[in-house]
Amino acid sequence: IAGITQAPTSQILAAGRRMTLRCTQDMRHNAMYWYRQDLGLGLRLIHYSNTAGTTGKGEVPDGYSVSRANTDDFPLTLASAVPSQTSVYFCASSDSSPGGSDTQYFGPGTRLTVL
Amino acid sequence: GQNIDQPTEMTATEGAIVQINCTYQTSGFNGLFWYQQHAGEAPTFLSYNVLDGLEEKGRFSSFLSRSKGYSYLLLKELQMKDSASYLCAVTDSNYQLIWGAGTKLIIKP
Repeated sequence: IAGITQAPTSQILAAGRRMTLRCTQDMRHNAMYWYRQDLGLGLRLIHYSNTAGTTGKGEVPDGYSVSRANTDDFPLTLASAVPSQTSVYFCASSDSSPGGSDTQYFGPGTRLTVL
Repeated sequence: GQNIDQPTEMTATEGAIVQINCTYQTSGFNGLFWYQQHAGEAPTFLSYNVLDGLEEKGRFSSFLSRSKGYSYLLLKELQMKDSASYLCAVTDSNYQLIWGAGTKLIIKP
């Protein structure tokens, strides 16, 4: 692995189903983020984690949950998918420790369609 | 509220120069980022400004004026591969990154 990876690349999901989007980074970054990107709205933060074991809510957290059991992995779960969650989902990570650059590096994204 | 404003779309000619503006109103300021995003791909980091002035990196330069809440990204010697969206983002006082909606840059031959 080099950088940050996401799986799956794309997914079509029936409404009401549960879905987990996976994100893994190998840069040992302390902070990780989940965004959704919709046309004309830009990137919106769903949840974030400043360090393993802690998580926080972003701008649009409803309907989503996250966990951060270790430094590398930050899965995003949709408990019961709805059509409004159709979007492109990006995971990102950054070195936000003292002296770190805070620059966020993005995974390739997951394109999710909820029918 | 917090707000980042950028033009929705711009068109420029191959070989020319283009300036993409970004104005922001945020609760505090701890830095401004520019990212490039090609269609269907992830955003990639271009530049970071935390002090006033111009940062130059090859064909790309980024300028910041904190007193005016203003930045611009300058792209010189435009190439067709520069056709992409350019995202402006500001780190606020809580170190949260606030994103603009992006500027779609179209390069014509």
